[in-house]
Amino acid sequence: NAGVTQTPKFQVLKTGQSMTLQCAQDMNHNSMYWYRQDPGMGLRLIYYSASEGTTDKGEVPNGYNVSRLNKREFSLRLESAAPSQTSVYFCASKWGIDFGNEQFFGPGTRLTVL
Amino acid sequence: GDSVTQMEGPVTLSEEAFLTINCTYTATGYPSLFWYVQYPGEGLQLLLKATKADDKGSNKGFEATYRKETTSFHLEKGSVQVSDSAVYFCALLPQYSGGGADGLTFGKGTHLIIQP
Repeated sequence: NAGVTQTPKFQVLKTGQSMTLQCAQDMNHNSMYWYRQDPGMGLRLIYYSASEGTTDKGEVPNGYNVSRLNKREFSLRLESAAPSQTSVYFCASKWGIDFGNEQFFGPGTRLTVL
Repeated sequence: GDSVTQMEGPVTLSEEAFLTINCTYTATGYPSLFWYVQYPGEGLQLLLKATKADDKGSNKGFEATYRKETTSFHLEKGSVQVSDSAVYFCALLPQYSGGGADGLTFGKGTHLIIQP
């Protein structure tokens, strides 16, 4: 049981390049989330997926797209990377829709955009 | 909108000292409240939570009590260890969320350093 896994761990991009961050969970969770963590800002929600086949915007969705490929996988795509997207990206998942259930986090992807 | 305010660090303490990290929130109704911990190079782990007023969450010697009257959820530990060095995040989940549409609102994090 690996929990929530993310690939890659580190990535350096040039401005304008595109890339996809991968996230997978093996806990049979329904809901999945993408956050970004910036120094002095805490974590902010980018997109979430309440269940397979649905996605919705969070607090800071501009410049990103997501795909809920199946119940296990939730990817985050940067179509044209910008230096402002330099951040650490965390994927999380949660079982069910019960109020207050714990979100489980992956180890993060550290992205630098030059 | 909802927000979480927590003391900013770094907070440096000696081993066996008493720890308090303050956290206050702004939200309508009765949100759920959480403390997450992030060790160097790792993702976030849930430390403890409380889902209704006056609940006390506890884990690994840490405690926090949900105080509706002061909109606070302060984290405490009686005797810290070097291994407690990490970044601690206070977070809330709005009461009127559900169906998975419930991304957490985080504070900025408090970096705790425990010296031997």
